[in-house]
Amino acid sequence: ETGVTQTPRHLVMGMTNKKSLKCEQHLGHNAMYWYKQSAKKPLELMFVYSLEERVENNSVPSRFSPECPNSSHLFLHLHTLQPEDSALYLCASSQDTPRGRAGEQYFGPGTRLTVT
Amino acid sequence: AQTVTQSQPEMSVQEAETVTLSCTYDTSESDYYLFWYKQPPSRQMILVIRQEAYKQQNATENRFSVNFQKAAKSFSLKISDSQLGDAAMYFCAYRSPINRDDKIIFGKGTRLHILP
Repeated sequence: ETGVTQTPRHLVMGMTNKKSLKCEQHLGHNAMYWYKQSAKKPLELMFVYSLEERVENNSVPSRFSPECPNSSHLFLHLHTLQPEDSALYLCASSQDTPRGRAGEQYFGPGTRLTVT
Repeated sequence: AQTVTQSQPEMSVQEAETVTLSCTYDTSESDYYLFWYKQPPSRQMILVIRQEAYKQQNATENRFSVNFQKAAKSFSLKISDSQLGDAAMYFCAYRSPINRDDKIIFGKGTRLHILP
């Protein structure tokens, strides 16, 4: 595997289900990100784990819960979602430096989530 | 708050011609990063070009180049010798320095059509 991989590629879940999205990067990067891409809306950054620190995003509902067990893996745990959460969820990674220089982001292929 | 504006929802260009996609942004920071990403129908987000605000020289990457006007807060993308494979959504993105409340903001995108 190369680059950034995401599983599953497609997911249909009911509003009472609990599921998790998985992202793995094979680039040796030290930062990972979750984005939400909805129709007719700009790409929205949800969560960042950079240099082993999580950057909070208070605008994301608590029904989305990220987990980053190590620098190569990132999860997005989902529970009691709403139909408006249906979207493409993209994962990305980058190599950032402690001095604050941001590397370019490499994106995974995304998970298409449908909440019924 | 930082904003990114892409004023052209759609554009068309004849194959082999040159096209320029516009992007303006607003920030009070002096050091930041700007990116152009391409998202073809496969939905895979691909980095096209990157510019660091402290660099006066415009970034170039083969047929892709930018016109970075820091004072005007403008960051346009020029595609020369357009090819059919350039057809995609193009997103302009802004990123603040990592150690300053890491913000990554995308524009709404410009859909580029290549006419054979």
